[in-house]
Amino acid sequence: AQTVTQSQPEMSVQEAETVTLSCTYDTSENNYYLFWYKQPPSRQMILVIRQEAYKQQNATENRFSVNFQKAAKSFSLKISDSQLGDTAMYFCAFRGIQGAQKLVFGQGTRLTINP
Amino acid sequence: GAGVSQSPSNKVTEKGKDVELRCDPISGHTALYWYRQSLGQGLEFLIYFQGNSAPDKSGLPSDRFSAERTGGSVSTLTIQRTQQEDSAVYLCASSLVPSGGSSETQYFGPGTRLLVL
Repeated sequence: AQTVTQSQPEMSVQEAETVTLSCTYDTSENNYYLFWYKQPPSRQMILVIRQEAYKQQNATENRFSVNFQKAAKSFSLKISDSQLGDTAMYFCAFRGIQGAQKLVFGQGTRLTINP
Repeated sequence: GAGVSQSPSNKVTEKGKDVELRCDPISGHTALYWYRQSLGQGLEFLIYFQGNSAPDKSGLPSDRFSAERTGGSVSTLTIQRTQQEDSAVYLCASSLVPSGGSSETQYFGPGTRLLVL
């Protein structure tokens, strides 16, 4: 079974700083997808960024980028020029390509951006 | 439709009562998922529907939990004889499943917060 581990329960940075959230996972599959979701206090899970395992190039979405290390099974999220609106819980998630293709989530990292 | 919607937003019930939670997926999305998020925890998978295929119920924690999806659209998650440990946020997600391909990104609803007293 796949597992996802986020080793940082909480992080706090000043506005405009860069922050990196870590995520590691365990799987025997070769093809899969990785995601970062953001959950603000409103509870809505919002997709931040997605990475296909077969792509070597790291995904980027504006201020958000990932460092995907397939051999190390590591998938970290970097937020540049952090903003107050980035304050939220961040979840790393894994999805295989077989069966139900359910998302397997990490425990989350609570990120606080301070003014 | 605009996005995944869920109702009610919040539900308070007494131990032993039955509850029904509703999910309206994005129009055209054939895959529908239910997840549970306990306080301060990540999400755990409950059940998956895809088209007319038999649902994957492997994540349901007990036989008190059941779900159905009518007409390939709206889904209802039912919890019978609720217990205090059922208190959590129940999230629904939907995605496209292109023919011959794997499902695309899952889009989540706002969830239903269930409190069992």
